[in-house]
Amino acid sequence: GAVVSQHPSWVICKSGTSVKIECRSLDFQATTMFWYRQFPKQSLMLMATSNEGSKATYEQGVEKDKFLINHASLTLSTLTVTSAHPEDSSFYICSARASGRKETQYFGPGTRLLVL
Amino acid sequence: AQSVTQLDSHVSVSEGTPVLLRCNYSSSYSPSLFWYVQHPNKGLQLLLKYTSAATLVKGINGFEAEFKKSETSFHLTKPSAHMSDAAEYFCVVSDDPNSGGYQKVTFGTGTKLQVIP
Repeated sequence: GAVVSQHPSWVICKSGTSVKIECRSLDFQATTMFWYRQFPKQSLMLMATSNEGSKATYEQGVEKDKFLINHASLTLSTLTVTSAHPEDSSFYICSARASGRKETQYFGPGTRLLVL
Repeated sequence: AQSVTQLDSHVSVSEGTPVLLRCNYSSSYSPSLFWYVQHPNKGLQLLLKYTSAATLVKGINGFEAEFKKSETSFHLTKPSAHMSDAAEYFCVVSDDPNSGGYQKVTFGTGTKLQVIP
C-alpha cells in the first residue's frame, strides 16, 4: 500500500526556536495533504489543508503565521512551527490524498514535538 | 505495540437501516480509542472517543460505540442510517506508555460507508 513518512519522528527543542516537520508521500503523488495535532488523550485537531502549489487553508483558531505550511511538490509538504513555545508541544500527524484516487488517503506515523 | 483492524473496507446499507462498522484493536497499555469520519474533500471529524470512562460512548449524529475489552473491539453503530452518513470512517487507537509521556497513534485503514436511498 501507499506510504506516507514524516521526519523527524521525535524533536526536542528550546523555546523560541523554529522546527520544520516534513511529510512525504513515498510512492504516490498527493495533491492534498492535511496536518493535524493531538494532545494526550485528546482527539486529532485539523490544523490546515494544503493543496500542491497553492496556499494552505487554515482552520479557525490556527495561527497561519505560527504554523507555516508549504506544499511545494506533489510528494512533500512541510509544517514549520515558528518560535516554538512549550504550549506547542504536541503530536503532529499528516495525511496525504493520492492524486486520481478519489477519497483514498494515507496517514503518516506522526511527529512528537517537545518544546523545553 | 498497538494495532487497529477495521474488518470491512466497504459497507453498504439502505437508508433507515442500522449501521455497524467493526473495529478491533490491540494495545499493550490502556488505550484511548476514537472514531473519526471524513467526508469527501474534508478533514477528519471526531465522532466519539473512549478514554477509560463509560464503556458505551455516545457521539455526534446519533453514533455510538461500545468498548469491549474481552473482545478487544470498539464497533461503531447507528440505529438508522441517513444519506448524509455516507463517508469514510476511521478507527484510531492511542496508547500512553509510562515512559516520558510518549503517545503513539495508529489509524485503521478506513471503512467507506455507502447509504442507498
